[in-house]
Amino acid sequence: SQTIHQWPATLVQPVGSPLSLECTVEGTSNPNLYWYRQAAGRGLQLLFYSVGIGQISSEVPQNLSASRPQDRQFILSSKKLLLSDSGFYLCAWKSRTSDKTQYFGPGTRLLVL
Amino acid sequence: DQQVKQNSPSLSVQEGRISILNCDYTNSMFDYFLWYKKYPAEGPTFLISISSIKDKNEDGRFTVFLNKSAKHLSLHIVPSQPGDSAVYFCAASAFGNQFYFGTGTSLTVIP
Repeated sequence: SQTIHQWPATLVQPVGSPLSLECTVEGTSNPNLYWYRQAAGRGLQLLFYSVGIGQISSEVPQNLSASRPQDRQFILSSKKLLLSDSGFYLCAWKSRTSDKTQYFGPGTRLLVL
Repeated sequence: DQQVKQNSPSLSVQEGRISILNCDYTNSMFDYFLWYKKYPAEGPTFLISISSIKDKNEDGRFTVFLNKSAKHLSLHIVPSQPGDSAVYFCAASAFGNQFYFGTGTSLTVIP
């Protein structure tokens, strides 16, 4: 069966510090991968999605970036965090073949102070 | 532009009664619709989905209805249980790569 991991689960960072959140998927090959953010009391905002290694689509211009160095690894980064980057970050995956459903990881809570 | 909308931010229902959560969309190209359940500080959990070629899909206590002419879908939970209390998101996709989410409806089932 497929599983998706995210770490860390919780992160507290000062303004201006860098960020690296990691997501890995097991049990599937060549998945679509996604990064979402849920701000407090808000819906899910798509940040980036990837259909393959090195292929990243950005949905919202901001100080975040994403990379996909391996087939089942998706990384969300920032060089300098802003207060507004606080939120709940979710990674998700979807099969490129049969199942049309998107499955989410457990999330990372980021607090920028 | 919000392509998927959930206009009710919250809903309260008595235990045992029916919960009806609504969702509207604007893009006629959407061909797949999903409902997710989310608890605080956890990732959304997939509940049920429906393809645009159908108008109803049922899974246990959960039924999703799709009205393509009205660009409207709804999730029915019968009977509602206290454990159903969570935030529910509807989502839609066209051709499977990108998903658009509503802003969520917080359901409270009162014992």
